[in-house]
Amino acid sequence: DVKVTQSSRYLVKRTGEKVFLECVQDMDHENMFWYRQDPGLGLRLIYFSYDVKMKEKGDIPEGYSVSREKKERFSLILESASTNQTSMYLCASSHQENTEAFFGQGTRLTVV
Amino acid sequence: EDQVTQSPEALRLQEGESSSLNCSYTVSGLRGLFWYRQDPGKGPEFLFTLYSAGEEKEKERLKATLTKKESFLHITAPKPEDSATYLCAVRFYILTGGGNKLTFGTGTQLKVEL
Repeated sequence: DVKVTQSSRYLVKRTGEKVFLECVQDMDHENMFWYRQDPGLGLRLIYFSYDVKMKEKGDIPEGYSVSREKKERFSLILESASTNQTSMYLCASSHQENTEAFFGQGTRLTVV
Repeated sequence: EDQVTQSPEALRLQEGESSSLNCSYTVSGLRGLFWYRQDPGKGPEFLFTLYSAGEEKEKERLKATLTKKESFLHITAPKPEDSATYLCAVRFYILTGGGNKLTFGTGTQLKVEL
């Protein structure tokens, strides 16, 4: 079975802190994605990557950056956390351009 | 503008009462349409992939169909354990910059009661 693992299920951070969310997949997938999910807004794409060291902005990249130094790992960075970044963050990976994506269990981040 | 719209937002069914969920899309260069199930507090779980109009996929009480503008998820004789949020996602090719994008609808929250 494909496994996408996010480093934390729950995280509480203070405003202004630098926050790292880590995601690892074990199926040698080329594509990796970061989404945030908020009630009434659905899943919104923050960043995605289709190769090592490659990254593309999604729909809401402001306030975030990403890093993909190795194929299996995709990190989401909140440079200076703010309360409006409180959300459920979901990482996903997929093999080829047009195949299904598999999701991690999610990280519920609260910024206080 | 590329868009994915799901309806209804919420649906309440009695056990055994069949119904359909809708996902309509306006994207260029469709690479695939995906259905997911999401339980509260968890990541989405993959159900189906559809690639071309006329294609159908089935799994237990669920059947997904695809046309050029929309997809339906048919639920036959649902049970309470089918209660979840069902998400539709569309993958399409990005003309500038390369790669492809996966965009989700906001989901249909299904509740099946005894």
